[in-house]
Formats: sequence, structure tokens, C-alpha cells
Amino acid sequence: GENVEQHPSTLSVQEGDSAVIKCTYSDSASNYFPWYKQELGKRPQLIIDIRSNVGEKKDQRIAVTLNKTAKHFSLHITETQPEDSAVYFCAASQNAGGTSYGKLTFGQGTILTVHP
Amino acid sequence: EAGVTQSPTHLIKTRGQQVTLRCSPISGHTSVYWYQQALGLGLQFLLWYDEGEERNRGNFPPRFSGRQFPNYSSELNVNALELEDSALYLCASSTGQGYGNTIYFGEGSWLTVV
Repeated sequence: GENVEQHPSTLSVQEGDSAVIKCTYSDSASNYFPWYKQELGKRPQLIIDIRSNVGEKKDQRIAVTLNKTAKHFSLHITETQPEDSAVYFCAASQNAGGTSYGKLTFGQGTILTVHP
Repeated sequence: EAGVTQSPTHLIKTRGQQVTLRCSPISGHTSVYWYQQALGLGLQFLLWYDEGEERNRGNFPPRFSGRQFPNYSSELNVNALELEDSALYLCASSTGQGYGNTIYFGEGSWLTVV
């Protein structure tokens, strides 16, 4: 089955700095890679996702890059703000052969702390 | 538009008991997914239902089961509760199979087993 490794487990930055979280996956058939933000006691919320037919996607201060050859993808947050502090999860899935994008394999999460 | 709703939000059960958690997907969504988020273990895929059928299940014992009703709502049942079943149980929904579907999570049900 799929295995997703996420690094670092904790990340501390100053407000205004950039933050980068990296994930690697094992199953070359995976073709969907979402990122979720989870605040304490809250549900995971999708912040950005990328599909295997593109290498990069950007949404305001958030960007995701995908390297299919190396089987890794990264989340980039620029101009970080204290409200970006949360746990971030990467995930991978595939839509083929009876599976679904919804059967996600998650990384272990990164606790991001943005200091004012 | 209402999001994914789950009930109950919190509950405490005794080891060996059984529990039923409920989920209503976003209107128009036919697929429902269940995930377990135990402390320190991240999110683990439990079950996927689509159009009333179980489509896939994760690496969990058979005492974890569920079903999906004709209105696409779903229940997750856990029998013979163990202490390690204490976790946040998240339900998510999507429009079903197909390229481009995004899944949306509910707020979850916090289960404590004592």
C-alpha cells in the first residue's frame, strides 16, 4: 500500500518568513495530493491540492510543487502569519481500479508555529 | 450550503461496549469516508461507502463496520471497544468516484474509552 512520509514534524518560524513542508510517497500510481490544515480541536480543512498532471499550483500565499519522478511534493507558505499556526497534513491517493481520491494516505503531520 | 455533519460530538464509553457514530454528507455527495485520528498516529483511513455499498476498507479489525443509507448518510459501528479506540472519528464526503473530486471533512466525533 501507499506510504507517505512528512518532514519536519515541527516547524517554528517568525512572522513574515516562509515555511516549507515536504512529503514523499511510495506508490507511483498515486495521482492526487491534497494538503490539509487542522487547528486545535477542529476538523482538517483542505488548503490546496495538486493532481499529477501539473507540477505546481499556487493560491495566494500558498503553493504546492510536485515531482513525480522523485515521488515528492512540498507545501510552501510565504509571508507567514500567526494565524497560519496549525498542524499541516499532506496526503496522497489515486483514482484507479476501484479506489477513490477519498481513500487518502496521510503523512504524520507538521506542527507549524508562527511567532509574532 | 451545510457541510458534513456528525453526531455525537463527544462521548465516553466503557471498554467492551459498542458505539454508533453518525454522519450526514454534504447535499449531493454520494461517497462517505470514515477516518480515525488517534493521538500521535495521524489520520488513518477506515471505510469508504458509495451509493450504499462498502467500496474499500482500511487496515482495521472487523469490529469496525458501518453502512450507508439510501439518503447517503452513514453510520460507523465499533464493537467490543478497546482503550486504543479512543480517538477522533472523522467523516468526509465527496461527489463519488471520478477525476477531480475533493473530500470535505466533518467536525468529528470524539470517542473516549475508559
